[in-house]
Amino acid sequence: DAGVTQSPTHLIKTRGQQVTLRCSPKSGHDTVSWYQQALGQGPQFIFQYYEEEERQRGNFPDRFSGHQFPNYSSELNVNALLLGDSALYLCASSLAGQETQYFGPGTRLLVL
Amino acid sequence: QKEVEQDPGPLSVPEGAIVSLNCTYSNSAFQYFMWYRQYSRKGPELLMYTYSSGNKEDGRFTAQVDKSSKYISLFIRDSQPSDSATYLCAIMRTGGGNKLTFGTGTQLKVEL
Repeated sequence: DAGVTQSPTHLIKTRGQQVTLRCSPKSGHDTVSWYQQALGQGPQFIFQYYEEEERQRGNFPDRFSGHQFPNYSSELNVNALLLGDSALYLCASSLAGQETQYFGPGTRLLVL
Repeated sequence: QKEVEQDPGPLSVPEGAIVSLNCTYSNSAFQYFMWYRQYSRKGPELLMYTYSSGNKEDGRFTAQVDKSSKYISLFIRDSQPSDSATYLCAIMRTGGGNKLTFGTGTQLKVEL
């Protein structure tokens, strides 16, 4: 049973560019949440997708957007990258109605 | 005031020691409590989940919740070098749409 998978594992971009990160949830899960983890900090909630719609959003600007596909996989898009967007981006999957979330290995983004 | 506070450490203990990791939270609306373990450059791994006051045990790990004091703890018995990691507490509100709020994480090193 595959756990949560994310791609790519590492990414280097320059300021102003756009990036797309991908996530496949754990088998049987239908809800995907995205988190940003800066170095030395706990993960911060970006948003959550269920039934292909954004259900909840954290305190992140509109430069951060997402999408969920019919197979429950998800993408996170970040436009107009800033140096401060450098972080580990984590995807977590869960089953609607259940509290436990399972995380993927993350995508490490470096913005130069 | 942060919604959840966690001592970042680092905490260094000898092998076999009992480790106590703690978090405090500010809002009684938080009703679900989790502990994640995160190895360096990896995604968080769910260790313990509880929603009631009292203790929950799983092998060498015990999660303790005191809702009256808004205080949660994770105890690790007979600590091993393989327990060296960052431990993150995470809390969730009732009806909060499954958004996790994390502490900053406590870095633990278990030495031989």
